[in-house]
Amino acid sequence: DTGVSQNPRHKITKRGQNVTFRCDPISEHNRLYWYRQTLGQGPEFLTYFQNEAQLEKSRLLSDRFSAERPKGSFSTLEIQRTEQGDSAMYLCASSLLLDTDTQYFGPGTRLTVL
Amino acid sequence: EDQVTQSPEALRLQEGESSSLNCSYTVSGLRGLFWYRQDPGKGPEFLFTLYSAGEEKEKERLKATLTKKESFLHITAPKPEDSATYLCAVRRNSGGSNYKLTFGKGTLLTVNP
Repeated sequence: DTGVSQNPRHKITKRGQNVTFRCDPISEHNRLYWYRQTLGQGPEFLTYFQNEAQLEKSRLLSDRFSAERPKGSFSTLEIQRTEQGDSAMYLCASSLLLDTDTQYFGPGTRLTVL
Repeated sequence: EDQVTQSPEALRLQEGESSSLNCSYTVSGLRGLFWYRQDPGKGPEFLFTLYSAGEEKEKERLKATLTKKESFLHITAPKPEDSATYLCAVRRNSGGSNYKLTFGKGTLLTVNP
């Protein structure tokens, strides 16, 4: 399977704990995006990387959130001191710089904060 | 602020009963309008990109059209396996934040056998 992969698929944590999610984009895709989706809503943009550079962060991304993409390959999204309001599906997408802007999404990581 | 409104929120059809989903959008310069399908518990699956008014794209029982203010996803003779949430998203062509997709809330389509 050469699609976007995300791990873990599900994460249950207690309020106040830190969590980290990983995204492996489609090979050779140099753009990588993180979105968050809550029940009954469409995905909301969180942040965007072109290669290893983080070029944009949404106002939704509070100081407790940090994302990295070392070496321009996989990316991690860390949430510190989780809150119940962080419970959501975290989606990763990737696209090719020279492509027609199509973003391909991974299966998502479902986070539940107790 | 870019905005996408999808209607109806939910649609229930009988197998073979054709219908359309609507996506109204406001964006300062449209680079592309995207349709995705999302099954429960999964990530969105890309269906179509439309770039300019008058453009149409087809895939199996689905046909997407675009005007300057809205897009329609026409479903012809749907089957139960077409049941899913259909998401519409826009990307602006300039002015900052032109990498992200702005999504609507989606239309939950249920096709009964």
